[in-house]
Amino acid sequence: AQSVTQPDIHITVSEGASLELRCNYSYGATPYLFWYVQSPGQGLQLLLKYFSGDTLVQGIKGFEAEFKRSQSSFNLRKPSVHWSDAAEYFCAVTMYSGGGADGLTFGKGTHLIIQP
Amino acid sequence: NAGVTQTPKFQVLKTGQSMTLQCAQDMNHNSMYWYRQDPGMGLRLIYYSASEGTTDKGEVPNGYNVSRLNKREFSLRLESAAPSQTSVYFCASSELRDTEAFFGQGTRLTVV
Repeated sequence: AQSVTQPDIHITVSEGASLELRCNYSYGATPYLFWYVQSPGQGLQLLLKYFSGDTLVQGIKGFEAEFKRSQSSFNLRKPSVHWSDAAEYFCAVTMYSGGGADGLTFGKGTHLIIQP
Repeated sequence: NAGVTQTPKFQVLKTGQSMTLQCAQDMNHNSMYWYRQDPGMGLRLIYYSASEGTTDKGEVPNGYNVSRLNKREFSLRLESAAPSQTSVYFCASSELRDTEAFFGQGTRLTVV
């Protein structure tokens, strides 16, 4: 069965510092990969996605992510965080298998705290 | 742009009561989904509808039913609510089965 692991439940970063959120997936082949952000009391907003091609993808709000097939990872990065980046971040994967459950499989999320 | 609209936003039910969560999307998407979000669990798929006229179970379907009323609307029904169904419910839609999903604002349901 497919699975997504976000090893860090909470991460605290100082404003202006760089950020990396980790995501590892378990699949038999290359899945479609996503990062979503959820602000308190809100729905989920797509930050970026990877389907194929260039393994470094750019998203909104200055975020980027790198797909590494050898490590089954899709880590999210930002060079300099802002206080408004404080939120819950979810990595998600999907793969059209022709059978089984479709839709996204989510990691359990990483709660990002920004220190002034 | 409305996107995905869920109603209601908040609901409190007593154990054993029934209710239907409504979801509508205006993006002409083929696929629609219902997820539940619980603390420390991420989002888990309850049911999905790959296209109009079809519905399928997801990871946690027990205690729920769905109806794909038309291309725009996908409802989730709790026939006999239980405290274990206290959660935040999200509806989502996507153009195809395995492309990016767009989410509604969520329904916070409490079963007492």
